Parts: sequence; structure tokens; C-alpha cells
Amino acid sequence: QVQLQQWGAGQLKPSETLSLTCAIYGEFFSGYFWSWVRQSPGKGLEWIAEINHSGTTNCLPSLKSRVTMSVDTSKKQVSLELRSVSAADTAVYYCTNLWVDWGQGTLVTVSS
Amino acid sequence: QSVLTQPPSASGTPGQRVTISCSGGSSNIGSNTVNWYQQLPGTAPKLLIYTNNQRPSGVPDRFSGSKSGTSASLAISGLQSEDEADYYCAARDDILSAWVFGGGTKLTVL
Repeated sequence: QVQLQQWGAGQLKPSETLSLTCAIYGEFFSGYFWSWVRQSPGKGLEWIAEINHSGTTNCLPSLKSRVTMSVDTSKKQVSLELRSVSAADTAVYYCTNLWVDWGQGTLVTVSS
Repeated sequence: QSVLTQPPSASGTPGQRVTISCSGGSSNIGSNTVNWYQQLPGTAPKLLIYTNNQRPSGVPDRFSGSKSGTSASLAISGLQSEDEADYYCAARDDILSAWVFGGGTKLTVL
């Protein structure tokens, strides 16, 4: 059984950098790509990016210029950075392997 | 606007069978398998169907999935009040090298 615990700043000002980390507890860390998915208030799901244990990443093209993903295999953690945030980036951010394992979600609000 | 197209809403009465469609293109559904997720209010999405028609352990067999060409469908039979939720389809897109989601379908049990 895999458990995900995610954390990061919940309140940001425009132009700041969003930073979230997800710790993966249990087996199969190396067996998945780990994704970040976000959901703006009242809206649908949007996939942002993914990374695997060897650092291979993929990212939604529209966000690629602002996104950095990283992995710390010793701690079984993956991290997301999203630069130059605006109100449009206000959302609940989930860490997930897009299978049965999802984090609890982190609400990030961007407001001046 | 989502890459995958779902109807925004669907409804049915208890016991009925409801289907939710998901339409895509050759670079996503046409080339890759489809997942379906259920999201109850205020909770994280839950995987309902993977690889077009496979159910994870614990998902009732009332839920079934299918795929044909560039479209997929989720069927829920014997509708129950607890099935009232938002449902999302997802697939890998080979052109974007990204996962893409449908816009979601809000299911109401009347």
C-alpha cells in the first residue's frame, strides 16, 4: 500500500514561485512516473507534469517554460516548482501516479 | 477547452443504467488506453477504470468501460445514490507527450 503526503506554501503573491513536495511511502516508488495534477475551483482536472525515479520528466507544453520537477530518490520525494504564478494558478494540486495513489491535495491560492 | 470531450452532465434514477462518453483523437484515445476517475465532492479523484475496461480491486462490477476508435465510454449499471459524483476520462497524448483529461461529467442521481 502506497501513501502520499504532500506539502507546500498555500498562499502566494503574483510572480512568486509555487513549490510543492510529495513524499511517497511504501513500495513501487521506482515503478511509476509521479505526476502533479491540479484542479482550479469549480473546474476540471489538469495534468501538469511527471517525473520518474531516474529523473525523466514530461510536462504540459503550455506550462513547460514555468515548470521544474525534481526527484530525491533517497527520500522518495518528488517536487514541483511553478514560477511566475498568477491568479490563474490558484488550484488544488495533487501528487499522484495516476493510478490508485493520490495525495491529499494542497490548495494554493495566488492573490495580492 | 479540454483535449478530451465529455458531456458536462448526466443523470439517472436509482437502478438505471447510465453511460458517459469521452471523445478524443488519433493521438490520444486512438493510440493509447483510457482511464476513468470518480471524484466525490471535496476529495481526491479515485481510479475507476484503467486500460479501457479494467477495474482496480474494490471497484464494483456495476462500473464498466469500453473503447472504440477515438472514443471511450463509462457505463454505470444499477445506479445508486452514492454514484453521484464527477467523472473524468484521461489518456496519454502522443503529440503533447502529456496526459490529457476530459472536462468532466457531473452525474446526478435523481
